[in-house]
Order: sequence, then structure tokens, then C-alpha cells
Amino acid sequence: GIQVEQSPPDLILQEGANSTLRCNFSDSVNNLQWFHQNPWGQLINLFYIPSGTKQNGRLSATTVATERYSLLYISSSQTTDSGVYFCAVEGSGTYKYIFGTGTRLKVLA
Amino acid sequence: NAGVMQNPRHLVRRRGQEARLRCSPMKGHSHVYWYRQLPEEGLKFMVYLQKENIIDESGMPKERFSAEFPKEGPSILRIQQVVRGDSAAYFCASSPGLAVQETQYFGPGTRLLVL
Repeated sequence: GIQVEQSPPDLILQEGANSTLRCNFSDSVNNLQWFHQNPWGQLINLFYIPSGTKQNGRLSATTVATERYSLLYISSSQTTDSGVYFCAVEGSGTYKYIFGTGTRLKVLA
Repeated sequence: NAGVMQNPRHLVRRRGQEARLRCSPMKGHSHVYWYRQLPEEGLKFMVYLQKENIIDESGMPKERFSAEFPKEGPSILRIQQVVRGDSAAYFCASSPGLAVQETQYFGPGTRLLVL
């Protein structure tokens, strides 16, 4: 099955810093989503982005499907950005999402 | 339009008891997915259902676990004779089922603790 790798596994930032999170996947995909799981365990959908670039406020994401990777950019980070960021992909011909192991982000005030 | 609803949000069971987790998809959605998140891990797919049909249960443990999505009412994930290893967060997601490329919308999860 598809392998999904995220990097870095852990990241500590000072408030106001920028960061880039990466998601590599091993095969072609139908869908790709980025999620933020906050410290209370709630899973928040950030982007549905099987290809191309999207922006939402301080966050933006780019997926290059032909090269099998996606990037999540966080600019001017805030303490509320802390939590775990997951990339999830849906392989061609399947309906299930395969989640990466996540990037654990801590933003310090 | 309410999001995906799950209840209960927290559930405590003793070993050997049954756990029943409920998921109401978003209005108009006919596809439901269940995922399990063990402590400190990512989510793992369990089962994909459409109304009255199990489409893919390749991620379900072979014993003690079952899922249904009846014509009327919520989807139910049932765990019989729970063991401590079943302690996890169980997330439900739904999608409209109208296209190949669709967003899955996730509920808040049910956190199961087995004592």
C-alpha cells in the first residue's frame, strides 16, 4: 500500500516564525488533505489539495502530484498553531485515507 | 449545516464490556468512514460504509469489532468484550459520495478508555 512520510517529526518555533512541513507519498493519489489536531484532540481540516496551491490566511499548501509530495507553509506562527499536523492521502482505486505519522509543532510565546 | 456528530465524546468501559460508538454524517452525505487513533499515533482506517452496505472493512480487527450504517439512523461501531488495547480515539468521517475526488469531513471523535 501507499507509504506516507512526514517531516520533520517534531518542530519547536518561536512565535512569529515561519515553517514548512513536508509530506511524501509513494504512489499516485486521488485525494490529499492536511489536518491540524489541536492539543484537545480535535481534528481540523486545513486543506483539501490533491494538486496545486491553496492559501487560507497564514497557511498555504502546495501539492506536486507528479513528484509525490505536498508542503504546508505556516507563516507568522502563533501559540494556537501548536499541535500535530497530519497529511492524509487516498490512493487511486481506494476510498480510505492513509495518514502520515504527523509533525508535532510547539510554538513558544 | 451541522458537521459530523459523534457520541459519546468520552466512553469508559471495563474489560469485557461492550462499547457502542455512534456517528451521524453530515446532512446529505451517504458515505461513512471509521478511523482509529492509538495514543501517540496517526489515524488508521478501519471501515468504509454506505447506507446498508459495508464497502471495505480491511482495517477492522477480525474479532469483536463490527460496524453498520442502517437505512435510518447513525452509523454504529460496536466493540464487544473490550480489552485495554482498544483504548483509543475513534473518528468518524463522511463524504457526499457524488464524485471520486471528495473531501472527507471528520467528526470530533470518541475517546474510549478501557479500565
